[in-house]
Amino acid sequence: QVHLVQSGAEVKKPGASVKVSCKASGYTFTTYAIHWVRQAPGQRLEWMGWVNAASGLTKYSPKFQGRVTITRDTSATTAYMEVSSLRSEDTAVYYCARQSDLVAGPLDYWGQGTLVTVSS
Amino acid sequence: DIQMTQSPSSLSASVGDRVTITCRASQSISTYLNWYQQKPGKAPNLLIYAASSLQSGVPSRFSGSGSGTDFTLTIASLQPEDFATFYCQQTLSIPRTFGQGTKVEIK
Repeated sequence: QVHLVQSGAEVKKPGASVKVSCKASGYTFTTYAIHWVRQAPGQRLEWMGWVNAASGLTKYSPKFQGRVTITRDTSATTAYMEVSSLRSEDTAVYYCARQSDLVAGPLDYWGQGTLVTVSS
Repeated sequence: DIQMTQSPSSLSASVGDRVTITCRASQSISTYLNWYQQKPGKAPNLLIYAASSLQSGVPSRFSGSGSGTDFTLTIASLQPEDFATFYCQQTLSIPRTFGQGTKVEIK
Protein backbone atom coordinates (compact mmCIF):
# COMPACT_ATOMS: atom_id res chain seq x y z
CA GLN A 1 0.00 0.00 0.00
CA VAL A 2 1.40 3.34 -1.09
CA HIS A 3 1.99 5.90 1.64
CA LEU A 4 3.57 9.34 1.66
CA VAL A 5 4.20 10.60 5.19
CA GLN A 6 5.31 14.18 5.69
CA SER A 7 7.14 15.85 8.55
CA GLY A 8 5.31 17.87 11.16
CA ALA A 9 4.13 21.44 11.33
CA GLU A 10 6.69 24.25 11.45
CA VAL A 11 6.66 27.83 12.71
CA LYS A 12 9.34 30.06 11.24
CA LYS A 13 10.30 33.71 11.35
CA PRO A 14 10.49 35.83 8.20
CA GLY A 15 13.81 35.37 6.44
CA ALA A 16 14.36 31.87 7.78
CA SER A 17 14.31 28.60 5.83
CA VAL A 18 12.19 25.49 6.23
CA LYS A 19 12.75 21.95 4.98
CA VAL A 20 9.83 19.53 4.70
CA SER A 21 10.31 15.81 4.22
CA CYS A 22 8.12 13.24 2.47
CA LYS A 23 8.78 9.59 3.30
CA ALA A 24 7.51 7.16 0.66
CA SER A 25 6.66 3.51 1.18
CA GLY A 26 4.77 0.71 -0.51
CA TYR A 27 6.30 1.09 -3.98
CA THR A 28 9.66 1.35 -5.71
CA PHE A 29 10.68 4.91 -4.86
CA THR A 30 12.81 5.52 -7.95
CA THR A 31 10.03 4.60 -10.38
CA TYR A 32 7.89 7.68 -9.82
CA ALA A 33 8.44 11.43 -9.66
CA ILE A 34 7.48 13.40 -6.56
CA HIS A 35 5.77 16.76 -6.87
CA TRP A 36 5.27 19.53 -4.33
CA VAL A 37 2.07 21.57 -4.17
CA ARG A 38 1.13 24.21 -1.63
CA GLN A 39 -2.15 25.78 -0.52
CA ALA A 40 -2.33 29.07 1.33
CA PRO A 41 -5.35 29.56 3.62
CA GLY A 42 -8.52 29.74 1.52
CA GLN A 43 -6.54 29.72 -1.73
CA ARG A 44 -6.16 27.42 -4.71
CA LEU A 45 -3.61 24.67 -5.02
CA GLU A 46 -0.28 25.97 -6.31
CA TRP A 47 2.23 23.72 -8.07
CA MET A 48 5.82 24.31 -6.97
CA GLY A 49 8.03 21.75 -8.67
CA TRP A 50 9.00 18.11 -8.99
CA VAL A 51 11.92 15.75 -8.73
CA ASN A 52 12.66 12.68 -10.80
CA ALA A 53 13.28 10.22 -7.98
CA ALA A 54 15.63 8.09 -10.08
CA SER A 55 17.91 10.78 -11.53
CA GLY A 56 17.38 13.65 -9.11
CA LEU A 57 16.49 15.96 -12.00
CA THR A 58 14.25 18.80 -10.86
CA LYS A 59 11.88 21.26 -12.49
CA TYR A 60 10.46 24.31 -10.72
CA SER A 61 7.70 26.78 -11.24
CA PRO A 62 9.32 30.08 -12.32
CA LYS A 63 7.64 31.68 -9.30
CA PHE A 64 9.76 29.55 -6.96
CA GLN A 65 12.95 29.14 -8.99
CA GLY A 66 15.92 30.17 -6.86
CA ARG A 67 14.05 30.09 -3.55
CA VAL A 68 12.86 26.48 -3.48
CA THR A 69 15.08 23.40 -3.59
CA ILE A 70 13.69 19.90 -4.06
CA THR A 71 15.92 16.91 -3.41
CA ARG A 72 15.59 13.23 -2.73
CA ASP A 73 17.48 10.51 -0.86
CA THR A 74 16.92 7.18 -2.57
CA SER A 75 18.36 5.14 0.32
CA ALA A 76 15.83 6.76 2.66
CA THR A 77 13.02 6.77 0.04
CA THR A 78 12.41 10.34 1.04
CA ALA A 79 11.92 13.57 -0.88
CA TYR A 80 12.60 16.99 0.55
CA MET A 81 11.43 20.50 -0.24
CA GLU A 82 13.24 23.52 1.18
CA VAL A 83 12.03 27.09 0.98
CA SER A 84 14.44 29.89 1.83
CA SER A 85 13.91 33.59 2.63
CA LEU A 86 10.48 32.88 4.04
CA ARG A 87 7.87 35.62 4.09
CA SER A 88 4.37 35.76 5.51
CA GLU A 89 2.88 34.88 2.11
CA ASP A 90 4.58 31.48 2.35
CA THR A 91 2.25 30.48 5.18
CA ALA A 92 0.50 27.46 3.69
CA VAL A 93 -0.03 23.73 3.81
CA TYR A 94 2.65 22.03 1.73
CA TYR A 95 1.86 18.69 0.10
CA CYS A 96 4.04 16.12 -1.62
CA ALA A 97 2.41 13.89 -4.21
CA ARG A 98 3.44 11.00 -6.43
CA GLN A 99 3.09 11.34 -10.18
CA SER A 100 1.49 8.19 -11.57
CA ASP A 101 2.52 6.52 -14.81
CA LEU A 102 -0.93 7.15 -16.29
CA VAL A 103 -1.47 9.39 -19.30
CA ALA A 104 -1.27 13.09 -18.40
CA GLY A 105 0.81 12.31 -15.32
CA PRO A 106 -1.80 12.83 -12.62
CA LEU A 107 -0.91 12.89 -8.94
CA ASP A 108 -2.35 9.66 -7.57
CA TYR A 109 -1.06 9.59 -3.99
CA TRP A 110 -0.61 12.54 -1.67
CA GLY A 111 1.03 13.17 1.67
CA GLN A 112 -1.07 14.40 4.57
CA GLY A 113 0.25 17.93 4.26
CA THR A 114 2.59 20.02 6.40
CA LEU A 115 1.49 23.38 7.76
CA VAL A 116 4.24 25.99 7.61
CA THR A 117 3.48 29.21 9.46
CA VAL A 118 5.67 32.25 8.88
CA SER A 119 5.26 34.82 11.62
CA SER A 120 7.42 37.27 13.50
CA ASP B 1 1.95 30.23 -17.78
CA ILE B 2 -1.26 28.50 -18.84
CA GLN B 3 -4.17 29.98 -16.91
CA MET B 4 -6.94 27.63 -15.78
CA THR B 5 -10.35 29.13 -15.06
CA GLN B 6 -13.17 27.17 -13.49
CA SER B 7 -16.84 28.03 -13.41
CA PRO B 8 -18.75 28.43 -11.31
CA SER B 9 -16.57 29.24 -8.30
CA SER B 10 -19.25 27.78 -6.07
CA LEU B 11 -22.63 26.15 -6.40
CA SER B 12 -25.40 24.85 -4.17
CA ALA B 13 -27.04 21.57 -5.07
CA SER B 14 -29.20 18.87 -3.57
CA VAL B 15 -28.53 15.17 -3.17
CA GLY B 16 -29.46 13.47 -6.41
CA ASP B 17 -28.81 16.53 -8.59
CA ARG B 18 -26.72 16.40 -11.73
CA VAL B 19 -23.78 18.78 -11.34
CA THR B 20 -21.51 20.14 -14.07
CA ILE B 21 -18.27 22.06 -13.50
CA THR B 22 -16.36 23.70 -16.33
CA CYS B 23 -12.62 24.31 -16.67
CA ARG B 24 -11.15 26.48 -19.41
CA ALA B 25 -7.47 26.70 -20.35
CA SER B 26 -5.90 29.88 -21.73
CA GLN B 27 -4.37 27.84 -24.57
CA SER B 28 -4.84 24.38 -25.98
CA ILE B 29 -3.72 21.59 -23.66
CA SER B 30 -5.03 18.63 -25.71
CA THR B 31 -6.24 16.23 -22.99
CA TYR B 32 -3.53 16.97 -20.42
CA LEU B 33 -6.17 17.74 -17.83
CA ASN B 34 -6.84 16.11 -14.47
CA TRP B 35 -9.57 16.62 -11.87
CA TYR B 36 -9.23 16.40 -8.09
CA GLN B 37 -11.64 16.50 -5.18
CA GLN B 38 -10.57 18.09 -1.90
CA LYS B 39 -12.45 17.95 1.39
CA PRO B 40 -11.72 20.42 4.20
CA GLY B 41 -8.45 19.72 5.97
CA LYS B 42 -7.57 16.86 3.62
CA ALA B 43 -5.22 16.33 0.70
CA PRO B 44 -6.71 16.34 -2.81
CA ASN B 45 -7.92 13.04 -4.29
CA LEU B 46 -7.56 12.17 -7.97
CA LEU B 47 -10.89 11.64 -9.75
CA ILE B 48 -10.30 11.92 -13.51
CA TYR B 49 -7.08 11.89 -15.54
CA ALA B 50 -6.38 12.68 -19.17
CA ALA B 51 -9.68 14.60 -19.32
CA SER B 52 -11.98 11.60 -19.38
CA SER B 53 -10.41 8.54 -17.73
CA LEU B 54 -11.83 7.50 -14.38
CA GLN B 55 -9.24 6.84 -11.70
CA SER B 56 -9.42 3.36 -10.18
CA GLY B 57 -11.77 3.21 -7.22
CA VAL B 58 -13.65 6.40 -8.07
CA PRO B 59 -17.43 5.99 -8.38
CA SER B 60 -18.82 5.88 -11.90
CA ARG B 61 -21.12 8.84 -11.22
CA PHE B 62 -18.05 11.01 -11.90
CA SER B 63 -17.16 11.62 -15.53
CA GLY B 64 -15.01 14.03 -17.49
CA SER B 65 -14.98 15.28 -21.05
CA GLY B 66 -13.33 17.82 -23.30
CA SER B 67 -10.14 18.55 -25.16
CA GLY B 68 -8.22 21.59 -26.31
CA THR B 69 -9.32 24.44 -24.06
CA ASP B 70 -12.72 23.43 -22.67
CA PHE B 71 -13.35 20.66 -20.18
CA THR B 72 -16.21 19.44 -18.02
CA LEU B 73 -16.52 17.42 -14.85
CA THR B 74 -19.96 15.91 -14.31
CA ILE B 75 -21.41 14.27 -11.23
CA ALA B 76 -24.42 12.30 -12.46
CA SER B 77 -26.26 12.09 -9.13
CA LEU B 78 -24.78 14.06 -6.26
CA GLN B 79 -24.21 12.07 -3.07
CA PRO B 80 -23.72 13.42 0.48
CA GLU B 81 -20.02 12.52 0.42
CA ASP B 82 -19.44 14.55 -2.76
CA PHE B 83 -19.74 17.94 -1.09
CA ALA B 84 -16.22 19.31 -1.46
CA THR B 85 -14.06 21.58 -3.60
CA PHE B 86 -13.05 20.39 -7.06
CA TYR B 87 -9.91 21.46 -8.93
CA CYS B 88 -8.72 20.99 -12.48
CA GLN B 89 -4.99 20.91 -13.29
CA GLN B 90 -3.19 21.07 -16.60
CA THR B 91 -0.07 18.96 -17.06
CA LEU B 92 0.97 19.99 -20.57
CA SER B 93 3.55 22.50 -19.46
CA ILE B 94 5.41 23.87 -16.45
CA PRO B 95 4.17 25.31 -14.19
CA ARG B 96 1.42 22.71 -13.87
CA THR B 97 -1.30 25.17 -12.97
CA PHE B 98 -4.56 24.51 -11.13
CA GLY B 99 -7.92 26.16 -11.51
CA GLN B 100 -9.21 28.30 -8.68
CA GLY B 101 -11.55 25.56 -7.49
CA THR B 102 -15.31 25.00 -7.45
CA LYS B 103 -16.92 24.55 -4.06
CA VAL B 104 -19.99 22.31 -4.11
CA GLU B 105 -22.26 23.00 -1.14
CA ILE B 106 -25.50 21.54 0.13
CA LYS B 107 -28.65 23.39 -0.87
